[in-house]
Amino acid sequence: SQQGEEDPQALSIQEGENATMNCSYKTSINNLQWYRQNSGRGLVHLILIRSNEREKHSGRLRVTLDTSKKSSSLLITASRAADTASYFCATERNTGGFKTIFGAGTRLFVKA
Amino acid sequence: DGGITQSPKYLFRKEGQNVTLSCEQNLNHDAMYWYRQDPGQGLRLIYYSQIVNDFQKGDIAEGYSVSREKKESFPLTVTSAQKNPTAFYLCASSVNTGELFFGEGSRLTVL
Repeated sequence: SQQGEEDPQALSIQEGENATMNCSYKTSINNLQWYRQNSGRGLVHLILIRSNEREKHSGRLRVTLDTSKKSSSLLITASRAADTASYFCATERNTGGFKTIFGAGTRLFVKA
Repeated sequence: DGGITQSPKYLFRKEGQNVTLSCEQNLNHDAMYWYRQDPGQGLRLIYYSQIVNDFQKGDIAEGYSVSREKKESFPLTVTSAQKNPTAFYLCASSVNTGELFFGEGSRLTVL
């Protein structure tokens, strides 16, 4: 079962525009993470936000977390063609062992 | 450099054969994970291990087996019982909680 669901499934924007991706999840979490995957490659960790945090920044990335709505958003500002990739949210649950579950991802295409 | 190494990168298997995917890490991480990714899909957890000689089933463990005899190594065997094994397999490790570090993946194709 997938814990997180990203929205939209795909997003196409012009270089320089902002890209916003959303993630909803179902059960209580320890933390929520965002990852990036270039086609055919492994995933790269972008940012982690803990359940007691509401917002976090890293360079051009801004992540928010609303635990009351069980949702998170990833904002990429001033996008570049090199940002073209799939972006996944992942939630960590403590179920007698720590388990990190991924959503289906948002495919972002940034046109130069 | 520290990291996770998966091998082989590409693997072809005939129906009815077992195959083993290798995953080695030199990050000194306690936890290791195996995920399966199908085209255009997210990652589904197959097995995970938080300590040597211990591992737990993930959401899609049927048809797969693992071992964790050494901290550095977490091989995945795709058995003939796995009915649809063609997929991209990703191994990851972490310091128990938090950020996962991924290998570059192994693409398995059943002929």
